Amino acid sequence: DTEVTQTPKHLVMGMTNKKSLKCEQHMGHRAMYWYKQKAKKPPELMFVYSYEKLSINESVPSRFSPECPNSSLLNLHLHALQPEDSALYLCASSPSSANSYEQYFGPGTRLTVT
Amino acid sequence: GENVEQHPSTLSVQEGDSAVIKCTYSDSASNYFPWYKQELGKGPQLIIDIRSNVGEKKDQRIAVTLNKTAKHFSLHITETQPEDSAVYFCAASINDMRFGAGTRLTVKP
Repeated sequence: DTEVTQTPKHLVMGMTNKKSLKCEQHMGHRAMYWYKQKAKKPPELMFVYSYEKLSINESVPSRFSPECPNSSLLNLHLHALQPEDSALYLCASSPSSANSYEQYFGPGTRLTVT
Repeated sequence: GENVEQHPSTLSVQEGDSAVIKCTYSDSASNYFPWYKQELGKGPQLIIDIRSNVGEKKDQRIAVTLNKTAKHFSLHITETQPEDSAVYFCAASINDMRFGAGTRLTVKP
């Protein structure tokens, strides 16, 4: 089973709202990732968690706050977003954060900021 | 950092024909090269990958080749079917994964 699940599938939020995106995997993977994907563009890495610790933050604005409560769960807390933050947010997991391991993606959360 | 270029950006083939997508990378230290298929409204799906100690890998109708000297790798799809229509991304991995810009493949019945 190589399934990564994400909730919600779609989210519409105002610029003053606070919301959270959730990701879950039960493959025993020790690395989890958040990516942002704009229309007709490739995924862009935002954060990497390795063994539940944040290992990479690709200079993402503080209005995006990741959290890894345990090895199976990954959250992305959203606050005071801008319309340009509207995108598909993808979660991925990998057996390891080392650079020769496959990453498996979830279906994404389509976020619209109004 | 790593830079991955992917060509062509769009590709249209007739059902049953072959499709080839090519990528080049800049950092010779990259050692893992996956290919992802993304259908409309879905997340990227890993379809095949290759590591730098291997020159070619095949899985049914899909094959990937790697030329480390030239720093390029290619995806080959044979006997294409309409369900192969999607956006395909190549990637190269060193400390983290960098994606190519994507190729929109259309297979016409």
